[in-house]
Amino acid sequence: SSELTQDPALSVALGQTVTITCRGDSLKTYLTTWYQQRPGQAPRLVIYGTNNRPSGIPDRLSGSSSGNTASLTITGAQADDEADYYCNSRDTNDQDVLFGGGTKLTVL
Amino acid sequence: QVQLQQWGAGLLKPSETLSLTCVVNGGPFSGYYWGWIRQPPGKGLEWIGEINHSGNTKYNSSLKSRVTLSVETSKRQFSLTVSSVTAADTAVYFCARVTAVTAPKHYYYMDVWGEGTSVTVSS
Repeated sequence: SSELTQDPALSVALGQTVTITCRGDSLKTYLTTWYQQRPGQAPRLVIYGTNNRPSGIPDRLSGSSSGNTASLTITGAQADDEADYYCNSRDTNDQDVLFGGGTKLTVL
Repeated sequence: QVQLQQWGAGLLKPSETLSLTCVVNGGPFSGYYWGWIRQPPGKGLEWIGEINHSGNTKYNSSLKSRVTLSVETSKRQFSLTVSSVTAADTAVYFCARVTAVTAPKHYYYMDVWGEGTSVTVSS
């Protein structure tokens, strides 16, 4: 099966912009989903269909995609954004579901 | 507002069977798939499988031989069993609501999650 690849860790200064990327062949077929997970909590959906935000997700989080790479951009990062972020899609076999390895975001 | 409440045994011995159940409170039960995901300590998320109200299932190919999903639609519940557990099955297990769309574009997401159940396998 395919896999989704993320950078393990990133940092961003408070108020600055950071982009988290996810690469995988499945992203050519499936639009990307992103989850935010804070320590000790369940994951929370923050982006689906590459660039759609569920209600309650601030518009400083946005998504985009090109070819086999999807991106989650946080504009004006806040302390509240410090978390692990996972990308997600179904595999090209239309059976398995893939998660990226996660990116730990630190807000400095 | 849809909420998922999950429960099950948290401490198992090797070779025993893991059993967890998730109940859907609020919102429709039909029309969605309902999934299970796990997260070993300090590691990332791993999809286990999903089931719909009719009992149609999809399983992670690497776990399929030991995993069974079942559903009781009248109780709005779905369940996970994992047989012959080992220490490698130690993880927090989450249930979640799945939305999968295939037209006009393909996308897949889990928008409602249970709080997670910590399962430890130890002799």
